[in-house]
Amino acid sequence: ILNVEQSPQSLHVQEGDSTNFTCSFPSSNFYALHWYRWETAKSPEALFVMTLNGDEKKKGRISATLNTKEGYSYLYIKGSQPEDSATYLCAFNSNTGNQFYFGTGTSLTVIP
Amino acid sequence: SQTIHQWPATLVQPVGSPLSLECTVEGTSNPNLYWYRQAAGRGLQLLFYSVGIGQISSEVPQNLSASRPQDRQFILSSKKLLLSDSGFYLCAWSGGRAQPQHFGDGTRLSIL
Repeated sequence: ILNVEQSPQSLHVQEGDSTNFTCSFPSSNFYALHWYRWETAKSPEALFVMTLNGDEKKKGRISATLNTKEGYSYLYIKGSQPEDSATYLCAFNSNTGNQFYFGTGTSLTVIP
Repeated sequence: SQTIHQWPATLVQPVGSPLSLECTVEGTSNPNLYWYRQAAGRGLQLLFYSVGIGQISSEVPQNLSASRPQDRQFILSSKKLLLSDSGFYLCAWSGGRAQPQHFGDGTRLSIL
């Protein structure tokens, strides 16, 4: 079992603030890094998949970066809105199998 | 389009009773299939995954077992439930390691 860590565990921000979270993963045997958004009473929804060091992905106000050499990824939300409130999960794929190893998530609450 | 069905949505079972949770996928062939559990206050823990019919890999020793009798069917079972089996169970499918996972709606299992 591989160790994937996310920080902070929870975050409260005001509407309009920008914020970011961190996902740390093993730097060896890297294959892919995923980000998901998990809203209450729904299933996790895929946001990004990144496979190359230096990858940057963007979807609307949300973007992510990847550093495979040092084993971290950042997720950024610009101008947070109440509908961004959710738990954000990252998941790591190694090149040794088909497993997805999830972090414990960052719970974001955007206060109107 | 692909869809994933997971049932039941909620289940209350006594300690020592058997368990069967079923997950089926439509609209894709030979998916990788996964069972996860989220215990209270924790992230998603990978329980089992399967890359083909009859092929099951277990991530952690536990009281549960999984089977894949058909290409798009994944079943999570137990002969005798323990209190520690309580939690939220999610089934997911993926087209591969660098492909996003697609989750079912989950089953909330309570053991009394």
